[in-house]
Amino acid sequence: ETGVTQTPRHLVMGMTNKKSLKCEQHLGHNAMYWYKQSAKKPLELMFVYNFKEQTENNSVPSRFSPECPNSSHLFLHLHTLQPEDSALYLCASSRGGYEQFFGPGTRLTVL
Amino acid sequence: KNQVEQSPQSLIILEGKNCTLQCNYTVSPFSNLRWYKQDTGRGPVSLTIMTFSENTKSNGRYTATLDADTKQSSLHITASQLSDSASYICVVSLNYGGSQGNLIFGKGTKLSVKP
Repeated sequence: ETGVTQTPRHLVMGMTNKKSLKCEQHLGHNAMYWYKQSAKKPLELMFVYNFKEQTENNSVPSRFSPECPNSSHLFLHLHTLQPEDSALYLCASSRGGYEQFFGPGTRLTVL
Repeated sequence: KNQVEQSPQSLIILEGKNCTLQCNYTVSPFSNLRWYKQDTGRGPVSLTIMTFSENTKSNGRYTATLDADTKQSSLHITASQLSDSASYICVVSLNYGGSQGNLIFGKGTKLSVKP
């Protein structure tokens, strides 16, 4: 295991639902990330947090809302998603700009 | 435009055979290049990292090469095993100092090892 956990591992939701993804890292890292991985596309960086402060938001639609209460926990709140949002959502953490360690991901299906 | 291109898109080989995966990049300023292995339904795990001055690096049966002049890298897998079946992703880091959101990802090569 990489020291980064994600829950749930699988999630099916309707377009009107509200759900949250959770990520926790046990590595003492200061930076945490959300990525989206769609079939046959490169990983897309969504958000970056450094010491709980959001440092990057790559033009992500407002239906995705991140929350970072501390350096060990990261959430992604989801509401009124679209079917094209179905993907594998990966969380990662790092110490500064060094190697990123990835969690196992949450497989999200939007009906 | 910063890009990382990988080939082939997918590959099927027999157990015990060798294979080589390719990565071409147009990324500047270059900091380092990593190869990640991603098992189905799991997150990527780093295999190797190479900086500008390194030409080759090994991790068990995995050997990565880097030609900074031609901006090409390869990942060679020796004596493949069924557990090598996975996607292999080439990732290039931009040299932007302390910035964390500075990785350029390839689409990956899906390798299937058959018995």
